[in-house]
Amino acid sequence: DTGVSQNPRHKITKRGQNVTFRCDPISEHNRLYWYRQTLGQGPEFLTYFQNEAQLEKSRLLSDRFSAERPKGSFSTLEIQRTEQGDSAMYLCASSRDRNSPLHFGNGTRLTVT
Amino acid sequence: AQTVTQSQPEMSVQEAETVTLSCTYDTSESDYYLFWYKQPPSRQMILVIRQEAYKQQNATENRFSVNFQKAAKSFSLKISDSQLGDAAMYFCAYRSGGGNNNAGNMLTFGGGTRLMVKP
Repeated sequence: DTGVSQNPRHKITKRGQNVTFRCDPISEHNRLYWYRQTLGQGPEFLTYFQNEAQLEKSRLLSDRFSAERPKGSFSTLEIQRTEQGDSAMYLCASSRDRNSPLHFGNGTRLTVT
Repeated sequence: AQTVTQSQPEMSVQEAETVTLSCTYDTSESDYYLFWYKQPPSRQMILVIRQEAYKQQNATENRFSVNFQKAAKSFSLKISDSQLGDAAMYFCAYRSGGGNNNAGNMLTFGGGTRLMVKP
């Protein structure tokens, strides 16, 4: 169990650019979640995958955001045409099943200048 | 929609003393779960303790215990014998118990309480 891995740890980009983050969940976990955490706030749910199927999306996930989990293993979160309001920590979490606790990664901190 | 409120942005405790962090939530559901997560500076969030709403007995994990008051929708965390390593952000979180097997265990988090431990 190597834990949930997220890359990159930090990303600085200019407004209008596209960015992509990667999450590698714990290997036997079929459920994967993306959350966004702004400074001084609690995480907010963005989207949920069970295997490769994206089963839940928050209204926070605007059309500039897209997430994939093509083979039911790693996941990517892409933000197109970034805005300064997208600056946040993006957290990934995984779990074995619905009743198992979520295991979080260290997050990717995005700064949009 | 469920909401989780942590009314204490910051708390401070002397090492070896006891501190209680407050959390209230709002829900119309009867089946749900409550959690406390710890987020140390620049480190990943980890689960501290979990409580099922159908259980009357308060959960305990070593030095961590909760006071779950279902009627009052209150879920406080007590840390006994505080240690320097307990310094972190603490988040209270709610999860619905309903849904089928495909339903996710999405969490609704409170705004967090920063706990400082004084040596």
